[in-house]
Order: sequence, then structure tokens, then C-alpha cells
Amino acid sequence: EVQLVESGGGLVQPGRSLRLSCVASGFSLDEYAMHWVRQVPGKGLEWVSGIDWNSRSTGYADSVKGRFTISRDNAKNSLYLQMNSLRAEDTALYYCARSTRAQLLQIRFDYWGQGTLVTVSS
Amino acid sequence: DIQMTQSPSTLSASVGDRVTITCRASQSISSWLAWYQQKPGKAPKLLIYKASRLESGVPSRFSGTGSGTEFTLTITSLQPDDFATYYCQQYIVYSTFGPGTKVDIK
Repeated sequence: EVQLVESGGGLVQPGRSLRLSCVASGFSLDEYAMHWVRQVPGKGLEWVSGIDWNSRSTGYADSVKGRFTISRDNAKNSLYLQMNSLRAEDTALYYCARSTRAQLLQIRFDYWGQGTLVTVSS
Repeated sequence: DIQMTQSPSTLSASVGDRVTITCRASQSISSWLAWYQQKPGKAPKLLIYKASRLESGVPSRFSGTGSGTEFTLTITSLQPDDFATYYCQQYIVYSTFGPGTKVDIK
């Protein structure tokens, strides 16, 4: 059974940093591109960032470019999101999601975690 | 950037109704469109990809049509389990979601 379990969320002050993690099981992580998608509670979905199977290609939404860094460790079945210079508008539930392809192309998400909540507030 | 819009934002319907949701892209995305269903407190679930292809395990009462800039999701004979929010997503260039359509009980 495919499972994605996020962790690392919490309350953080504006301007500070946070690192999210996602542990994958039930499939070979190195066969898929992986992504972070966020959702402000009660609002819509926003793709945040993606990384291809071997970390050679990454992509970011304009809203986080230059502040967030996505990475992965296939040996540890893990995906990460380093979030720096956090802002109030980054407050959201952050989902880890699996893409159906290994490359950062034709990105649709067939499996999602349950999310980890990030709250940016002083 | 490609922008996605959906209409209506909310739709009230009864069990057994035929329901249609429209999604529009700000520029042509060919058929690179997916539809997701999300229930409160749950992660989204992929229903349809490539505009009209049904994801494995999804009931056949769900169908999708369209290409270019205009797309529709249709649910024939709405079931109690279908009351949820539906999002379209373009994936020709990275990914952008529509704002969502909430289907609630009339």
C-alpha cells in the first residue's frame, strides 16, 4: 500500500525557517517525481514545488521561489522542503504528493499524504 | 502563468441529479487537464486525467470532456458519496489548480 507521511509542521515566527519531511512507503521512491502542494484551510490548492526522480530537475511556484528548497533522499525514502524567510501567507496545510512520472513533466498527482500544518505567526 | 477558473463556485444538487462543472484555462493546455475530488479533512483524490481518462477505480458516473481552454466534469446520477469539492488542474506547465467547485446537498 502506498503511503506518504508528512512531518515537521508547526508554529513559526515570520522570517524564521522550517523543514518539512515526507516518508514514502509501499513503492520505490526513485521511480517517481515528488511534489509539495499546499492548501490554506478552507481554501484552494497551490502547487509549491517538485523534484524529479534523481534530483536533477526542480521547479517552484513564483510565490516561494528563492525562499523554499526541495530535496530528496531516495535511500531514505524521503522528500524534504526547506522553507526559509517564512511569511504569514505561507500558513497552510502542506501535502506531499506523488507524480505519475519520474520526470518533472505532465505533473498529475496519484497519491497524497494527509498533510502537515504550518502556521506562520508572531 | 496559466490561470484556471471554475464555474460555478458552489452547486446545490440532489441525489440522482446530473451535475456539470466547467473549468477554463487562460491559454490552451491541449488535453493536459485533471480533475480531483476533495472531502473535508481529506487529501484530494485523482478522478480524471488527460481531460477524459478515468483513473483506475473511479466510478464510471464520472466523465470529463474538453480540450484547449474549456473543459467539463460531469457526474451522472449524483450519489451521496459525491458531495465534495472538485478541482481542475492544468499540467502542461508545472501545475495550477482551479479555485474549486463545492457540490452540496440541495
